[in-house]
Amino acid sequence: NAGVTQTPKFQVLKTGQSMTLQCAQDMNHEYMSWYRQDPGMGLRLIHYSVGAGITDQGEVPNGYNVSRSTTEDFPLRLLSAAPSQTSVYFCASSYSADSLNYGYTFGSGTRLTVV
Amino acid sequence: KNEVEQSPQNLTAQEGEFITINCSYSVGISALHWLQQHPGGGIVSLFMLSSGKKKHGRLIATINIQEKHSSLHITASHPRDSAVYICAVRWNYGGSQGNLIFGKGTKLSVKP
Repeated sequence: NAGVTQTPKFQVLKTGQSMTLQCAQDMNHEYMSWYRQDPGMGLRLIHYSVGAGITDQGEVPNGYNVSRSTTEDFPLRLLSAAPSQTSVYFCASSYSADSLNYGYTFGSGTRLTVV
Repeated sequence: KNEVEQSPQNLTAQEGEFITINCSYSVGISALHWLQQHPGGGIVSLFMLSSGKKKHGRLIATINIQEKHSSLHITASHPRDSAVYICAVRWNYGGSQGNLIFGKGTKLSVKP
């Protein structure tokens, strides 16, 4: 099925470990983004990309890196995990960053626990 | 400061009731989205609005750009409508036109 695929669905990390959350879409969407969702707060933007080779920081970028080498993939890297990064992470994509004719498609989420 | 405010935070309704969830925002926007997040966690896009009103089945979304306010209505509510409903605005900010600012969500529980 076409859509946004996130892996893994669940992950437990020890403090200081690194990992990559994968996000892939097969809809030829230009815009891709990563959000984190914490209890009592709205989703917050971590990083986003408006096309291959172009990335930028969102509201809460510290501790995370991204790259966009292809249109399809937008991985999120945690270089040295901290307990404050325990959260649910969502990847989302849209056909175009500046068009009002398209909505957003979300991945199913990754629940990350850092101990 | 949360630039997108939703009310109520929690809502319990009996099956068949008409439900309204409100969203107010303070920034200049190009579009507003209503999203649904089920207990399993997945997020589904319901509506994208830049003006007026949209309807899909029992769901109706309206927006008043001048008043910076949107409402999501559910007619003839059903237990399967139980979910968290999230308002998100697409803001006008330099080159970041695609970015969304989210409300905290309204948790709806519909009792049979």
